Amino acid sequence: DVKVTQSSRYLVKRTGEKVFLECVQDMDHENMFWYRQDPGLGLRLIYFSYDVKMKEKGDIPEGYSVSREKKERFSLILESASTNQTSMYLCASSGAGTGYSGANVLTFGAGSRLTVL
Amino acid sequence: KQEVTQIPAALSVPEGENLVLNCSFTDSAIYNLQWFRQDPGKGLTSLLLIQSSQREQTSGRLNASLDKSSGRSTLYIAASQPGDSATYLCAPTENRDDKIIFGKGTRLHILP
Repeated sequence: DVKVTQSSRYLVKRTGEKVFLECVQDMDHENMFWYRQDPGLGLRLIYFSYDVKMKEKGDIPEGYSVSREKKERFSLILESASTNQTSMYLCASSGAGTGYSGANVLTFGAGSRLTVL
Repeated sequence: KQEVTQIPAALSVPEGENLVLNCSFTDSAIYNLQWFRQDPGKGLTSLLLIQSSQREQTSGRLNASLDKSSGRSTLYIAASQPGDSATYLCAPTENRDDKIIFGKGTRLHILP
């Protein structure tokens, strides 16, 4: 069964801490995404990546960075966590299709609920 | 900037009814559109993906249609069951940069 695995389901961190959220997929997918989901705001795209060492800003990249050193792993980094980054974080991946626009079925992980105190 | 709207935001219907969830998007230059289901506190599960060249896709009791030119998609659920209770989200993929933008979802409650 294909999977996207997020390393932590629940995290509690303090303001100013550095936070790493890890995401691993076993489907050999080219594309990986990080979203955050908040009540009333829905899912918002933070960063995405189409290949190893490549990254693209989404709609709300401020306060976040990402790393993709291996194809299967896409990490989201909060350099200095703040209370407004308390949220549900969702990682997803998809395979490349024909041509440049290759987004196919998006597979999500179970989510990481981060609380920043 | 692509904006995705889902109406209604919440819906309660008795078990056994057929129902339609609506999705509209402002930029018709999309590569495909996906419908997802999300149970409380969980990740999203893909239900159907419609390519921009297609008009509809079916999976079991679910049927999704796409009218790209008018910026609309619908998800039809036949013979609803309590297990269908969840939030349903639509997400078009933009041609320009492959970004996948989500609507805020319709929260569906099927009454036993």
